[in-house]
Amino acid sequence: ETGVTQTPRHLVMGMTNKKSLKCEQHLGHNAMYWYKQSAKKPLELMFVYSLEERVENNSVPSRFSPECPNSSHLFLHLHTLQPEDSALYLCASSQEAGGRLEQFFGPGTRLTVL
Amino acid sequence: QQQVKQSPQSLIVQKGGISIINCAYENTAFDYFPWYQQFPGKGPALLIAIRPDVSEKKEGRFTISFNKSAKQFSLHIMDSQPGDSATYFCAAKEESGGSNYKLTFGKGTLLTVNP
Repeated sequence: ETGVTQTPRHLVMGMTNKKSLKCEQHLGHNAMYWYKQSAKKPLELMFVYSLEERVENNSVPSRFSPECPNSSHLFLHLHTLQPEDSALYLCASSQEAGGRLEQFFGPGTRLTVL
Repeated sequence: QQQVKQSPQSLIVQKGGISIINCAYENTAFDYFPWYQQFPGKGPALLIAIRPDVSEKKEGRFTISFNKSAKQFSLHIMDSQPGDSATYFCAAKEESGGSNYKLTFGKGTLLTVNP
C-alpha cells in the first residue's frame, strides 16, 4: 500500500448506528487531518492531529469523535448521525502540521446517513 | 463568510482550448495559494501552488497568475485535454500564521474537456 488509504470506501448507516472510518498513511508523516466534502461546498477541515495530539477541533459536533493511536493511523468514530452528515470524508497527511508542507489526501469514504 | 470565492462553478472547453478558473480571497494574511485537482473516486491532489512574491508560476501546461492588489489568482490550463477533465479547487493558507496547517478552499470548478 502506498500513500494514504481509507476504509471503507462506501458506508451506509442509520441514524442510530455506530460506525468508524479508518485512515492509514504510508508516507512517514507526523500530521493527519479529517476533512468533510459536501456537494457545492468548500472542503471543511474537521480535525488535525500532530504527533498523535489533537491541535484543531473545528467546531465539529460531538457525534464525530476522532482518535489517533499513532502517527500512521487515524479514526473517525460516528454515532447518532443526521442525514445532513452524508458527505465524502477525506483523510490527509503531511510531514508536519503546517508550514510549507503539502497535504496528501486519501480517496475518501462516501458516507450516507439514512 | 466564504473566504475564498471560486468561479465558474462548471466549465466546458474544447480539446486544445484554454481553461481559466478564477479565485478571489479576502484575508490579506494568506500567503500560500495552491490549486488541487480531483478526479472522481479520488482525493484532491496538489497541482501547482504560488506564493505572493511572484505574479506568475508555470508548470507545463498549467499556469497560476496572481494579482496581490486585487486579491485574485487564477489557473490557466493551456492546450486542454480530455484527461484534464476533473474538479479543480483553489485554496489559501497563512503559512506564517499560528494555524498554518489550515487550508481554506474554494467551492470547486467542474471542468469538462470535450474531444
